[in-house]
Amino acid sequence: EAGVAQSPRYKIIEKRQSVAFWCNPISGHATLYWYQQILGQGPKLLIQFQNNGVVDDSQLPKDRFSAERLKGVDSTLKIQPAKLEDSAVYLCASSFRPGQGADTEAFFGQGTRLTVV
Amino acid sequence: AQSVAQPEDQVNVAEGNPLTVKCTYSVSGNPYLFWYVQYPNRGLQFLLKYITGDNLVKGSYGFEAEFNKSQTSFHLKKPSALVSDSALYFCALGPSSASKIIFGSGTRLSIRP
Repeated sequence: EAGVAQSPRYKIIEKRQSVAFWCNPISGHATLYWYQQILGQGPKLLIQFQNNGVVDDSQLPKDRFSAERLKGVDSTLKIQPAKLEDSAVYLCASSFRPGQGADTEAFFGQGTRLTVV
Repeated sequence: AQSVAQPEDQVNVAEGNPLTVKCTYSVSGNPYLFWYVQYPNRGLQFLLKYITGDNLVKGSYGFEAEFNKSQTSFHLKKPSALVSDSALYFCALGPSSASKIIFGSGTRLSIRP
């Protein structure tokens, strides 16, 4: 079974530039998550999709971050304009049936390491 | 509000000794609890989960975790540590009443030869 795919693996941009990350979840997984992991910290949930609808975006800085999941499969996360404090690893994850017992765990991609200079 | 805590930033163990990585949680309702491991420059890998049933859960790579409802804990254990177990370990909470999964701050496990 193919895992969660993310691209690019690494990205370096200057502050105030824009950047986009792409994620392809595991086939059949309706729930997709974007997490931000700052060095030395645990992952912080930015946004959660169920199919193509947003379930939770309470911690997404909406003045600069946006995300979409067209057709309920692939997703993109965009930052515009980027700030120095956005330097982090952006992790995409998917799960089959969260909050419903079996098959509730999330599976993660390898992440995109963003450096803002 | 739900939360998950890992009280130790780092745990150091000699190879061959038992290891424990601690996790406590707070949630209304029944918890779903998870352990993940992260190796350098890699994403998080799922180790094990507690949903319901037996309090002792067995997972990948010889790890197990014990769910203790009265102490609201879900400690990760392994009877005999390997140097290759050295990594960053995260406890996560996903309440059964919702689908969001939140993570602890992580514990760095270092196994010395």
